[in-house]
Amino acid sequence: DAKTTQPPSMDCAEGRAANLPCNHSTISGNEYVYWYRQIHSQGPQYIIHGLKNNETNEMASLIITEDRKSSTLILPHATLRDTAVYYCISQGGSEKLVFGKGMKLTVNP
Amino acid sequence: GAVVSQHPSWVICKSGTSVKIECRSLDFQATTMFWYRQFPKQSLMLMATSNEGSKATYEQGVEKDKFLINHASLTLSTLTVTSAHPEDSSFYICSASGGTGANVLTFGAGSRLTVL
Repeated sequence: DAKTTQPPSMDCAEGRAANLPCNHSTISGNEYVYWYRQIHSQGPQYIIHGLKNNETNEMASLIITEDRKSSTLILPHATLRDTAVYYCISQGGSEKLVFGKGMKLTVNP
Repeated sequence: GAVVSQHPSWVICKSGTSVKIECRSLDFQATTMFWYRQFPKQSLMLMATSNEGSKATYEQGVEKDKFLINHASLTLSTLTVTSAHPEDSSFYICSASGGTGANVLTFGAGSRLTVL
């Protein structure tokens, strides 16, 4: 079973920041938070991951709360091509990724 | 960046036949690959972990004799759906680790199987 919870869907206006929340209240100390997304009928795409500190890359920023029980993925300037299902996954040393239901982000023009 | 290629991207077969799907890591070596299955409007379900040079590890409820996995080299894993039935119609996706960073998986584009 997935160990994270996400809202089922969210809308965002094109050009605005999209803030995608994720709860992982039972995360253990050695588990990272990973974000992937899946555009319709394609394989998932890695976005970003983190342990405790906030992270930023060319795609997004990841903000993890100090207690590590939740995090937020930020797409700073959403485009129509960011419409996808976003998966937040907590994972430890084992490399098996277990996907939950994810959250459907729709970017509207 | 790391690339995983799947072939074929889509396949239609008759009930009772077997279908092989290939998963290749193009620019890195992958000692471990993972096979997922996804039904329409559902999330990805992990089927098995493919280990180079050894037997695959199947998740609970996945029939190992029906879904044969071979990982004969560091860049190739194959999934064979044997004696396919219409209920095996699904989107099959492979992934591999080792190309981007620790525990980061690179996914293939997926293979859509339709069994008539």
